Amino acid sequence: GAVVSQHPSRVICKSGTSVKIECRSLDFQATTMFWYRQFPKQSLMLMATSNEGSKATYEQGVEKDKFLINHASLTLSTLTVTSAHPEDSSFYICSALLAGGPTDTQYFGPGTRLTVL
Amino acid sequence: QQPVQSPQAVILREGEDAVINCSSSKALYSVHWYRQKHGEAPVFLMILLKGGEQKGHEKISASFNEKKQQSSLYLTASQLSYSGTYFCGTENTGNQFYFGTGTSLTVIP
Repeated sequence: GAVVSQHPSRVICKSGTSVKIECRSLDFQATTMFWYRQFPKQSLMLMATSNEGSKATYEQGVEKDKFLINHASLTLSTLTVTSAHPEDSSFYICSALLAGGPTDTQYFGPGTRLTVL
Repeated sequence: QQPVQSPQAVILREGEDAVINCSSSKALYSVHWYRQKHGEAPVFLMILLKGGEQKGHEKISASFNEKKQQSSLYLTASQLSYSGTYFCGTENTGNQFYFGTGTSLTVIP
């Protein structure tokens, strides 16, 4: 199946710093990528839809100035958590949409665990 | 707005069947199903786009009742590898996407 990578897999940072997470589709081009976050033992939450060459679409309640998304190429989307605070600590997951065929299929990255001290 | 899944948790013996339900308070445009193993990213299982649609592979399938704003995931002849947390994801007609509350499935030998 298609492969999506995320980097870094884990990051620990101090409060107030910014953290960039990369999401790459390794063997296919993805015009659309998604960013999710998941708190421990809770459901996934869609944060935003990232479209190559255009601005990301954010879900209600997600601060776009806090969570900057850049989809600069067909294989790379980045999420930058700006001025991170402890409440931003979470598991961040991206997925890339492989379009074509009867239906589109999402492939998920392995996730990035962010801990803000 | 978050879809409610039932049951919250289920334990099966290998070979048994299970049904997981996902119910929304909003009119739905599509329903997605995912399985997540502990500590891992979720795996996309399938998407249903039309009311009345049923799809899936042999042993894992799903249906979408648009009028009732519900979807059900059917697991037949369960295998140990089916263990995990199952989430539905729903897109409503207001273009909002929410994941369900999750169902923990444990298959034991």
